[in-house]
Amino acid sequence: EAGVVQSPRYKIIEKKQPVAFWCNPISGHNTLYWYLQNLGQGPELLIRYENEEAVDDSQLPKDRFSAERLKGVDSTLKIQPAELGDSAVYLCASSPSRGGDNEQFFGPGTRLTVL
Amino acid sequence: DQQVKQNSPSLSVQEGRISILNCDYTNSMFDYFLWYKKYPAEGPTFLISISSIKDKNEDGRFTVFLNKSAKHLSLHIVPSQPGDSAVYFCAASVNTDKLIFGTGTRLQVFP
Repeated sequence: EAGVVQSPRYKIIEKKQPVAFWCNPISGHNTLYWYLQNLGQGPELLIRYENEEAVDDSQLPKDRFSAERLKGVDSTLKIQPAELGDSAVYLCASSPSRGGDNEQFFGPGTRLTVL
Repeated sequence: DQQVKQNSPSLSVQEGRISILNCDYTNSMFDYFLWYKKYPAEGPTFLISISSIKDKNEDGRFTVFLNKSAKHLSLHIVPSQPGDSAVYFCAASVNTDKLIFGTGTRLQVFP
């Protein structure tokens, strides 16, 4: 079974530039998550999707961050414009459905460096 | 306010001995706890979980203990192997909707 796929794996941009990350979850997983992981910290949830609906985006900085999950499969996370403090690893995860004891499966992440 | 805390940033254990990783939490509403393992340049991988209705869950060399009164859980790895060297994250949730992660503990198992 293929795991969660993320691209690009690494991205270096200058501040004020836009950037986008792509995620392809495990086939059949209805729930998709985007996490932010700063150096030396644990992942922090940015947004959670149930199919194509964003059901928890309370931690997403909506002034510069946006996300979409068209057709309830792939998802894109965008930052525009990027700031120095956005340098971090952006992780995508998926799970079969919410609740119960469904574990979340993580992708390898995209490491963003903003110069 | 850190709801899930891993106070030991690193741990070094000899191969074959027991590794004990600790985690404390503050939110009494948490009803599900998980441990994830992370190798460099990879995403976290699920290791083991425990529901708040249990106090112990075992899977091979890995055992998680939950002490609700102390709001404390621990992961025991016996025997420890060099391949266990990684960063271990404790996570907690209410209804598994949103995982709150600790800051991680780097485990090094030496020969």
